[in-house]
Parts: sequence; structure tokens; C-alpha cells
Amino acid sequence: QKEVEQNSGPLSVPEGAIASLNCTYSDRGSQSFFWYRQYSGKSPELIMFIYSNGDKEDGRFTAQLNKASQYVSLLIRDSQPSDSATYLCAVSSGGSYIPTFGRGTSLIVHP
Amino acid sequence: DADVTQTPRNRITKTGKRIMLECSQTKGHDRMYWYRQDPGLGLRLIYYSFDVKDINKGEISDGYSVSRQAQAKFSLSLESAIPNQTALYFCATSGEEREGLRETQYFGPGTRLLVL
Repeated sequence: QKEVEQNSGPLSVPEGAIASLNCTYSDRGSQSFFWYRQYSGKSPELIMFIYSNGDKEDGRFTAQLNKASQYVSLLIRDSQPSDSATYLCAVSSGGSYIPTFGRGTSLIVHP
Repeated sequence: DADVTQTPRNRITKTGKRIMLECSQTKGHDRMYWYRQDPGLGLRLIYYSFDVKDINKGEISDGYSVSRQAQAKFSLSLESAIPNQTALYFCATSGEEREGLRETQYFGPGTRLLVL
């Protein structure tokens, strides 16, 4: 059974701070890692993907992957109230095309 | 226009009724999926299809059936709806857009279903 674990939160951070969201996974064969953002009542939207160990930056977002420790994280710099949402971590084995989703972490950015 | 559409967006039905949720996509993707989302339980896969002739059960397929009418259309049916099928249902697609996004999923807007 492939598992993806996330702290449900809520994670509360002040505006302008760095929000750090974490995800661990059980399948050592996992090769593709995704972060989706989901606003309440809306559909998930891809914001980051990473395939290799290390950091990947895109604007205010940084994804970090450590395959040896089986975790992937998402950093949001200069957090804004509009970043308040649930963040879903998804992990996929290469070629399976069936990602396993975590239950999501709720982020609240307060002014 | 949205790349992945779902109809209806909201539906209220009664126990025992048969209902169909429809999904259409204009992304040209071969792979399509149906998920349900319940508070605190995340996204759970109901069925998936990698092409018109390939349909597979997901982790929670009991009580559901699907039809892949064309590459662009994938329908989910509840043969006899029950209250614990009340949930938010999402259709998703994925395809070979480019190397860096080979397994990304694109979600429809969702259908909110209430079974009384």
C-alpha cells in the first residue's frame, strides 16, 4: 500500500513569512512528485513538480526533494493571504500514471 | 473555455436513484480519472482509463461504474445512489504535454453530489 503522509494542519503563518509544508511517502520507487493547491470548494491546481533530489524554485515557491529520506517539501516565501488554501502532495512511480495523494495540509496566512 | 468540464456542477438526488456524472476534455489527453473527495479523506480514486478500450478500477469502485464514450468523454454512474456517496467528485486528465509535465493531472471543476 503506497502511502503519502501530510500534517493536516492548519498551519498558520503571518503575512510575509515563509510557509513550510512537508510530505513523506512510503514507496521508494517513486519518481515524480507534485504539489497541488486547492482553494475551498475548488479543484486542485498544480503549482510545482520535481523529479530530482535537491531544490526547484519557481517564483515564491520552492520544492525540495530528498529521496533518501523519502520526503518532499514546499516552501512559500513572502506568504500572502491569497496563499491560504489546502496543499496536496502527490507522488507517482515512474510510468504508472496513478499518483497517490496525501490528505492535504491547510495553510492560513493571516494579515 | 475550460479544458476539463463536468456536468452537472451540483446535484441532489434520492437514495436508490441512478445518476450519471459527465466529464469532457479538450486537452487531447488519453488518460482520464474519476476521484471523490470527502472532508479529511483527501482524493480517492474511483476509476481510471488510459484509452477508450482500457478501463480500470481504483481503490473505491464499489457502487460505481464508468463509460469511456470517446477519447474526450468519461462518464461516472451511480447505479443506486446511497447517502454515503455524498461527496465532491472530480474528473481529471493527464497526457504527454511535455517531458517535464508527463504525469501532471488536470482537474475539472468538480460536481457536488448530495444523496438524501
